[in-house]
Amino acid sequence: KAGVTQTPRYLIKTRGQQVTLSCSPISGHRSVSWYQQTPGQGLQFLFEYFSETQRNKGNFPGRFSGRQFSNSRSEMNVSTLELGDSALYLCASSVDGSNTEAFFGQGTRLTVV
Amino acid sequence: QQQVKQSPQSLIVQKGGISIINCAYENTAFDYFPWYQQFPGKGPALLIAIRPDVSEKKEGRFTISFNKSAKQFSLHIMDSQPGDSATYFCAASISTGNMLTFGGGTRLMVKP
Repeated sequence: KAGVTQTPRYLIKTRGQQVTLSCSPISGHRSVSWYQQTPGQGLQFLFEYFSETQRNKGNFPGRFSGRQFSNSRSEMNVSTLELGDSALYLCASSVDGSNTEAFFGQGTRLTVV
Repeated sequence: QQQVKQSPQSLIVQKGGISIINCAYENTAFDYFPWYQQFPGKGPALLIAIRPDVSEKKEGRFTISFNKSAKQFSLHIMDSQPGDSATYFCAASISTGNMLTFGGGTRLMVKP
């Protein structure tokens, strides 16, 4: 059974640009959550999608957005990149998101220069 | 801000010893408490999880102890091995969605 797949693995962008990250959940999983991991702030919840609807949102500015498609694949977008957006972005999938096991991908390492 | 506080930040244990990591939470609505293990360059991997209706759960060398009245839970790694050297995160969530609040992490080093 394939795990959670995140693409790309590494990304370098310039301040002011925008970026789109992709996440393919485990087959049959309908909930996808996104997290930002940095040395200073640790692991922070960005948002969760379930059945193409955003169900929960963390405390991040509106530059961070996401969506989920009918096949449960999800994308997150960050516009007007800032240096502080450099982080490991992790995606987690679970069957239905009601406190069932969440499985993480390997993440996308975003570097903003 | 819902918080989960984790200690210690780093831990060095001899091979064969017991590693103990502690977490405390504030929000009494939390009802799911997982622990994750993360190796460098990898995403977190679920180790073991507990719900507040039980006080202890054991899976192999890993045990979670849960104290609902004190709002604390801990991870015990018995017979610690060098391969256990990783960063460990406790987390908590409410049943209304897959939104985990993580502790700050503990970097464990097991010396041979």
